[in-house]
Amino acid sequence: DQQVKQNSPSLSVQEGRISILNCDYTNSMFDYFLWYKKYPAEGPTFLISISSIKDKNEDGRFTVFLNKSAKHLSLHIVPSQPGDSAVYFCAATPSGNTPLVFGKGTRLSVIA
Amino acid sequence: EPEVTQTPSHQVTQMGQEVILRCVPISNHLYFYWYRQILGQKVEFLVSFYNNEISEKSEIFDDQFSVERPDGSNFTLKIRSTKLEDSAMYFCASRLSGAGNSPLHFGNGTRLTVT
Repeated sequence: DQQVKQNSPSLSVQEGRISILNCDYTNSMFDYFLWYKKYPAEGPTFLISISSIKDKNEDGRFTVFLNKSAKHLSLHIVPSQPGDSAVYFCAATPSGNTPLVFGKGTRLSVIA
Repeated sequence: EPEVTQTPSHQVTQMGQEVILRCVPISNHLYFYWYRQILGQKVEFLVSFYNNEISEKSEIFDDQFSVERPDGSNFTLKIRSTKLEDSAMYFCASRLSGAGNSPLHFGNGTRLTVT
């Protein structure tokens, strides 16, 4: 039962270009959506979040877009840098104290 | 910046043995979690802990698993009798509050290998 789906296991982008990572969800009760980045041998690191009352949240090079009607969110990284190469996890929760449900992750490779 | 620390980084154990995975959450955080990631699969929720008791647990978290906060700083996950399928990365996480915009902070994980 995959409530959070990241259908692209990997993505390669040239340095300086935009990276777009996609995430779909099935549970209409999800209210908060988060993106985490994970380097090898490290734990996931929080990147950016968005609540369901918004459709966009921006933090520096990172922007998350939420389309509730399509149950779809995306993370845009622009410009992409080689240090952005990592696995990116989309996560969602119905409410604050309900456990996060994670997607399987997308491995982003930014090529210099 | 304060961080969640986990020990050991790698634990190898024989099937049937007990293991204890240790975590020191960020000191002013009140909510604690264990997640695991089997190689190549998604990060899965195991258990959440607040106010010295389990708030929620997944179906993975059966009678073989237990958590404890023995003092003011440590948060442990015990697996009583390990199985081969328990081999995974185990991540501890903590957060300041239960609000939706309060993100989880993860440790670097313990790689558990059951042989």
